[in-house]
Amino acid sequence: GQQLNQSPQSMFIQEGEDVSMNCTSSSIFNTWLWYKQDPGEGPVLLIALYKAGELTSNGRLTAQFGITRKDSFLNISASIPSDVGIYFCAGQLNSGGSNYKLTFGKGTLLTVNP
Amino acid sequence: NAGVTQTPKFRILKIGQSMTLQCTQDMNHNYMYWYRQDPGMGLKLIYYSVGAGITDKGEVPNGYNVSRSTTEDFPLRLELAAPSQTSVYFCASSYRQSNQPQHFGDGTRLSIL
Repeated sequence: GQQLNQSPQSMFIQEGEDVSMNCTSSSIFNTWLWYKQDPGEGPVLLIALYKAGELTSNGRLTAQFGITRKDSFLNISASIPSDVGIYFCAGQLNSGGSNYKLTFGKGTLLTVNP
Repeated sequence: NAGVTQTPKFRILKIGQSMTLQCTQDMNHNYMYWYRQDPGMGLKLIYYSVGAGITDKGEVPNGYNVSRSTTEDFPLRLELAAPSQTSVYFCASSYRQSNQPQHFGDGTRLSIL
């Protein structure tokens, strides 16, 4: 099956710093999604990417869909304490009968030191 | 608009007991999903449903059963609880269109002792 490699596994940064995390896949996806999970809650969608090369922003967050369709990155600028959480990438193939299945990365745990 | 609602939030079971995790959504989504999340392992798909009366296995279905009698509800049943089923369970839903993202509930934390 498809596998996603998400890195780094964890990050410990100072408030105000920029953050970058990425996901790579052994095969292509048609959609890349980035979710954030706060403790005790479910993942919440941050950014959805639908086209290879697409660069999308949501406030201080920017994500890109890689040209090869096998990778994506998420950047967070000027981090703040509430950015703390686990960030997951997820890929979706949108092909035939499997267009609803997501493959998740293992997550990046972000800690922001005030 | 409540979104995806899961109950209970926490549960402790003894080995061999059975229980049903409830999931309901009020967004009229066609597709619904059950995932389990183990520490450091991301989310793995257990079962999914593309509409009322239709369900299918995901990546890790063993030990679980589901039903989808209505569009809104997608319960997950554990018949004989085992320690390996200790996990956090998430229900999600989405529209039929392939580019519509999944929306998640807040999870059920289940411990099997």
